[in-house]
Formats: sequence, structure tokens, C-alpha cells
Amino acid sequence: DTGVSQNPRHKITKRGQNVTFRCDPISEHNRLYWYRQTLGQGPEFLTYFQNEAQLEKSRLLSDRFSAERPKGSFSTLEIQRTEQGDSAMYLCASSSPRGQEADTQYFGPGTRLTVL
Amino acid sequence: RKEVEQDPGPFNVPEGATVAFNCTYSNSASQSFFWYRQDCRKEPKLLMSVYSSGNEDGRFTAQLNRASQYISLLIRDSKLSDSATYLCAVNINTGKLIFGQGTTLQVKP
Repeated sequence: DTGVSQNPRHKITKRGQNVTFRCDPISEHNRLYWYRQTLGQGPEFLTYFQNEAQLEKSRLLSDRFSAERPKGSFSTLEIQRTEQGDSAMYLCASSSPRGQEADTQYFGPGTRLTVL
Repeated sequence: RKEVEQDPGPFNVPEGATVAFNCTYSNSASQSFFWYRQDCRKEPKLLMSVYSSGNEDGRFTAQLNRASQYISLLIRDSKLSDSATYLCAVNINTGKLIFGQGTTLQVKP
């Protein structure tokens, strides 16, 4: 399978705990994006990387959230001191800046986070 | 005002019907436009990119109207399997996509 992969697919945690999610993009894609989606809404942008550089962060990304892409391949999204309001689907997408499908984003299956 | 707006529906149509969705965007600097399909509790899957000249893929036709700042999606001869949420997304060349709320389509036998 050469698509975007995310792990874990589901995460249940207690309020106050830290969680970390991983995203592996499509191999030739150098851009990687994180979005959050809650029920009945479209995905909301959180942050994106071009190679290892984090180029933009949303105001939604509070200081409890941090994302990394240290080698320009996979990325991790960490949420510290989780709150019930963090419960959502966390989606990762990747794209290439070149070619016929430049900047077309393809999504992974998401990580569904439930904070109790 | 939201940057990208869609009528959430639901649109309930019989099999074989033609249905159209509109999506309006507020930023005139928007560069590229997409329709994604999302099934319940799944990730968005790219349905079509939307080009200035309009484009068609089988039963699906997408159009862009820059003057009025909207994109549309037309589905002809709708199938039961077309039941899903349709998300429009706009890129203003900053990398990120801005999504609408999504429009729910339910095709009935």
C-alpha cells in the first residue's frame, strides 16, 4: 500500500495524559499536513511541513500541541495534557509540489482520539 | 463569514436523479479548488480537482465560477453508492486547504 498511513487508528486516553500520533506520507511527497476534524465539520488545518521545515501553524495549534518531521519523512503530532475538547479525528495528508497533481493532497485514514 | 461555505443538506434524492451542490469561497486570491468525498468515519478521498474550464469525470462534472466565487459539483444518474458527504476545499497558495462544512447526500432506492 503506497498511500498515507497513520498510527494508531484509535486512541482513548484520560484527560491530562500525553498522546503522540504518527503519519507516514506517500514516499515521493515532500509536503505533509495535519488537520483536525470534529463531527459535522470539515477538516481544519493545523500545520504543514515541506521536507523537515514546519512552514505554517494554525492558531488552533495551542502550546499543548507540537508537530515534528525530523528527517523530512514521517511526522509526529503530540498533544500534551489532553483535554476533552481535543477529542476529534486527526488527519494527515501529503502532496508533491511538482507534476500534474502538484499540491493535490491525499489523506491518510486518520487517528480518532477520544479523551475521557 | 466562513471562508468556504456549503449547504450541509441533507440532500435526499432518488436513484437516477441529478443533483448539484454549490460551494462559495470568500478569498478572491484562491488558486486551486477540489471536491472530496467522505464516507462516515472515513478519511476524505479526492473526487476531482476543479479547473477554470470545468471538468468532467464520468457522471461527475465540476465547474468553477471565479467572478461569483463559487464551485459546483453535478452528479448525474445518482447511485446508492454516491451516498456520502461531499467536501469542497480551496487552496489560496499557502499550502493549506480550507474546507467547507460538507454537504450530505443520501440517495434512496
